[in-house]
Amino acid sequence: EAGVVQSPRYKIIEKKQPVAFWCNPISGHNTLYWYRQNLGQGPELLIRYENEEAVDDSQLPKDRFSAERLKGVDSTLKIQPAELGDSAVYLCASSLTPGNTIYFGEGSWLTVV
Amino acid sequence: SQQGEEDPQALSIQEGENATMNCSYKTSINNLQWYRQNSGRGLVHLILIRSNEREKHSGRLRVTLDTSKKSSSLLITASRAADTASYFCATDKNAGNMLTFGGGTRLMVKP
Repeated sequence: EAGVVQSPRYKIIEKKQPVAFWCNPISGHNTLYWYRQNLGQGPELLIRYENEEAVDDSQLPKDRFSAERLKGVDSTLKIQPAELGDSAVYLCASSLTPGNTIYFGEGSWLTVV
Repeated sequence: SQQGEEDPQALSIQEGENATMNCSYKTSINNLQWYRQNSGRGLVHLILIRSNEREKHSGRLRVTLDTSKKSSSLLITASRAADTASYFCATDKNAGNMLTFGGGTRLMVKP
């Protein structure tokens, strides 16, 4: 069974440029999460989806971050414009339903210069 | 904000020794989970312990939970070089998988 797939794995952009990350969760998983992990720290939740609905986006900086999960499967996370402080690993994860084991992707490593 | 705090932040041991990592948290929880992260990789779920449980085992892993002290420990017995990784605890307040992670313990196991 394929795990959570993310792309790109690595991205270097200049500040003020846009960037987008894509996530394909495990087949059949209704719950999808985006986390951000700064170097040397634990992940912090940005947004959680139940099917197509964003049920918790309180930690998402809405002035520059946006996310969508059309058709309740794949998801994209966009940053526009990127700032130096956005350099981090963006982790996508999925679970069958809330309360089940969460499976993480390998992450998308963003460097903003 | 991070609810869990791991202790120590870094741990270096010899292969074969046991490794103990601790996690403290602030608010009541439904469950606590431990994850491993190898350098440059995603997180791998290790074990989940519910608030009404005190101890769980999985292979060489032993997790304890003390809700009165709001703390948990992860013990890795007979460590191997392949256990070298960062270990994170994550708390779930409402069984909704709204996980709050700690800062992690970086474990190095020397061969």
